[in-house]
Amino acid sequence: NAGVMQNPRHLVRRRGQEARLRCSPMKGHSHVYWYRQLPEEGLKFMVYLQKENIIDESGMPKERFSAEFPKEGPSILRIQQVVRGDSAAYFCASSNWDKGGAEAFFGQGTRLTVV
Amino acid sequence: GQQLNQSPQSMFIQEGEDVSMNCTSSSIFNTWLWYKQDPGEGPVLLIALYKAGELTSNGRLTAQFGITRKDSFLNISASIPSDVGIYFCAGSGGINSGTYKYIFGTGTRLKVLA
Repeated sequence: NAGVMQNPRHLVRRRGQEARLRCSPMKGHSHVYWYRQLPEEGLKFMVYLQKENIIDESGMPKERFSAEFPKEGPSILRIQQVVRGDSAAYFCASSNWDKGGAEAFFGQGTRLTVV
Repeated sequence: GQQLNQSPQSMFIQEGEDVSMNCTSSSIFNTWLWYKQDPGEGPVLLIALYKAGELTSNGRLTAQFGITRKDSFLNISASIPSDVGIYFCAGSGGINSGTYKYIFGTGTRLKVLA
């Protein structure tokens, strides 16, 4: 049973470019979360999605950032016109509250570097 | 917003010693999770707690769900060098509250001296 898959593991973008981060949840999981982590810091909540719906985006910047979790395919975190301050590790987690599963499992993360 | 405070922030211990860390919240949670993160990796789930007062073990790890539902504790017995890493607590309102978002603590950085 494959775990949470994130790709790419490392992403380098020049300032002003777009970054697309992908997350495939564990099989059977319909809840996806995105977190951002700066070096030596904790995990900051960004957005929580269920299939085709954004449930809570209170942690996501209002501009340049967007997320989706379509009916088919992975969840996408999109950052437009990246700036150096966007450099961080972005982690995706999935859970299965629909079946009473409260545990959230994380992917390996995507490390974004903006040059 | 909700915040989770972990203590200590970091600790150096000798191999073989026991370790204790805790996590406190300004809000009530229905679920507590404990994770370990190694450098360059994603957090790995260690223990999940669902009921106030619950005590759960996973090998040398033992975690407790505080009876006030505002805190949780993690103990590691007989530490070994591979225990080094960052330990995070996470809380969630859970199914009963309709709040499925996980809030993470600030982390406890553990270093084990051989």
